[in-house]
Amino acid sequence: AQSVTQLGSHVSVSEGALVLLRCNYSSSVPPYLFWYVQYPNQGLQLLLKYTTGATLVKGINGFEAEFKKSETSFHLTKPSAHMSDAAEYFCAVYLNGNQFYFGTGTSLTVIP
Amino acid sequence: KAGVTQTPRYLIKTRGQQVTLSCSPISGHRSVSWYQQTPGQGLQFLFEYFSETQRNKGNFPGRFSGRQFSNSRSEMNVSTLELGDSALYLCASSPHSEAFVFFGQGTRLTVV
Repeated sequence: AQSVTQLGSHVSVSEGALVLLRCNYSSSVPPYLFWYVQYPNQGLQLLLKYTTGATLVKGINGFEAEFKKSETSFHLTKPSAHMSDAAEYFCAVYLNGNQFYFGTGTSLTVIP
Repeated sequence: KAGVTQTPRYLIKTRGQQVTLSCSPISGHRSVSWYQQTPGQGLQFLFEYFSETQRNKGNFPGRFSGRQFSNSRSEMNVSTLELGDSALYLCASSPHSEAFVFFGQGTRLTVV
């Protein structure tokens, strides 16, 4: 069985503060892990992904995530939040070669 | 390269009608997947096509169907529309079975 859990459906941070969005997965095999961002009325834009190799993955817009196998986690971070980071963020596991399992999403609000 | 193109972007249909959504993948991509996004259920996998063959199918009723053409373009059809089918339908394409997946902007379907 496989699933993705995103802790916190809504997260608010002040502009310039650290962003931390949590994602835990359950998978019987090593997964591919992704973070996507979605702006209103838009599709999903890939922020970063982990497939193999280095466990700290850097993505676009200053985001990064670390794959921790022992904790089955893939938390997304950004050192300093910007107003343009306000969006919905989805963690996803890609398994079986052709299917994503998405978390329920975390809405990020950035307070000026 | 052009991205994944979905048409139309917005659609309003009446209960009981049927609808066809279109997806043009990135040039050279042979895999096309479809997802339904609703506030209540989040992002759910519908089905995936590769070289005109359905390789994987999510847990949706038979009213939801799809196909892929020889040029990799894909269509999704929903028959006998229900109010609950109102959603953002996302298409994703990838070159092969590896996890390099790109999403379109989606088609917003409203059933009234």
